Amino acid sequence: KAGVTQTPRYLIKTRGQQVTLSCSPISGHRSVSWYQQTPGQGLQFLFEYFSETQRNKGNFPGRFSGRQFSNSRSEMNVSTLELGDSALYLCASSPGTSYEQYFGPGTRLTVT
Amino acid sequence: GDSVTQMEGPVTLSEEAFLTINCTYTATGYPSLFWYVQYPGEGLQLLLKATKADDKGSNKGFEATYRKETTSFHLEKGSVQVSDSAVYFCALNWASKIIFGSGTRLSIRP
Repeated sequence: KAGVTQTPRYLIKTRGQQVTLSCSPISGHRSVSWYQQTPGQGLQFLFEYFSETQRNKGNFPGRFSGRQFSNSRSEMNVSTLELGDSALYLCASSPGTSYEQYFGPGTRLTVT
Repeated sequence: GDSVTQMEGPVTLSEEAFLTINCTYTATGYPSLFWYVQYPGEGLQLLLKATKADDKGSNKGFEATYRKETTSFHLEKGSVQVSDSAVYFCALNWASKIIFGSGTRLSIRP
């Protein structure tokens, strides 16, 4: 089976812009989670989608949003980018939330 | 609330040394426990898991035992290699929530 794929792998944006990141889960996986990883804050949970519904949400401002499509692919959007949004954004898929997660390689976002 | 605490890094060892990375958890129920590894420039990979008390997870020479009495899931390896240099994350999964520890950076000297 193909693994979790994330596009793009690298992205440079300017403060105030918005960005959309994409994640394609492993075939058959219905749960997709998003994480932000930074050197200072470590790995922080953003949100989880299951069958197109957001099931869990972390403590991030409303500028961070996501959605999941009927084919389980997911997108994450960050509006009004801030310098502090520079991070590695990881997507993970799972057959369900009681199972282990399979991570993609991440999207490295740099905000200047 | 539920949480995971793992030992601070970085940890630096010589090749063939014995490795222990401590992980303790707080959970209101009976979580599944995981160790993930992140190699430079990559996403996280599942290393091993245990789903109930006294279960031992093992993979690639690494082991961890689910200890309910001490709420711990310490990662061990008898003889580390340079290729084991990475960041290791302990995590729990309970009630549809997954919580990661802060990660421990491991560096192995040849």
